[in-house]
Amino acid sequence: AQTVTQSQPEMSVQEAETVTLSCTYDTSESNYYLFWYKQPPSRQMILVIRQEAYKQQNATENRFSVNFQKAAKSFSLKISDSQLGDTAMYFCAFIGQTGANNLFFGTGTRLTVIP
Amino acid sequence: EPEVTQTPSHQVTQMGQEVILRCVPISNHLYFYWYRQILGQKVEFLVSFYNNEISEKSEIFDDQFSVERPDGSNFTLKIRSTKLEDSAMYFCASSDNRGLGEKLFFGSGTQLSVL
Repeated sequence: AQTVTQSQPEMSVQEAETVTLSCTYDTSESNYYLFWYKQPPSRQMILVIRQEAYKQQNATENRFSVNFQKAAKSFSLKISDSQLGDTAMYFCAFIGQTGANNLFFGTGTRLTVIP
Repeated sequence: EPEVTQTPSHQVTQMGQEVILRCVPISNHLYFYWYRQILGQKVEFLVSFYNNEISEKSEIFDDQFSVERPDGSNFTLKIRSTKLEDSAMYFCASSDNRGLGEKLFFGSGTQLSVL
């Protein structure tokens, strides 16, 4: 069975600073994807970034980047130059080959960007 | 960017009543999903739907739940006899493909409160 663990329920960061959110997962699957979703106060789930397990290069999307450590089953999200609009709940999620599009989510990290 | 639309944004119902949650997926998408998030807990998969039938469902999706695509645009989730523990945020999602890692577009959710 797949599990996704986010050990930081809450974090805060000063505006313009960098913050890293942690995520670990457990799976026996060989091919899978990992995602970070953002849930602002509007409650909509917005895809921030995704990483395919077979790709060694870490994914980047503008100010967002990941540190994917496959052997350690770690998938952290780094937000550079934090902005007030980054204040949200961040969910790490996993999908494997056997799960079709059944995403397994972590419990989330609430990030607050302080002006 | 196209959006998944969910109505209503909030629904209050009495225990034992039937509720229908409505979703309008992105127009050219073929795969549809429902997820739910009980307050303070992780987002959980309920069901996936393709070609007018259920593709996959979780243990949560018991006989009290049903899904339907009544016309070419709507996708509904019905709970026949609501229980207190059905109180949650329900998210609809859609995708244009079912490949591993395919991006899911989520709606803003319907907050269901069962009294």
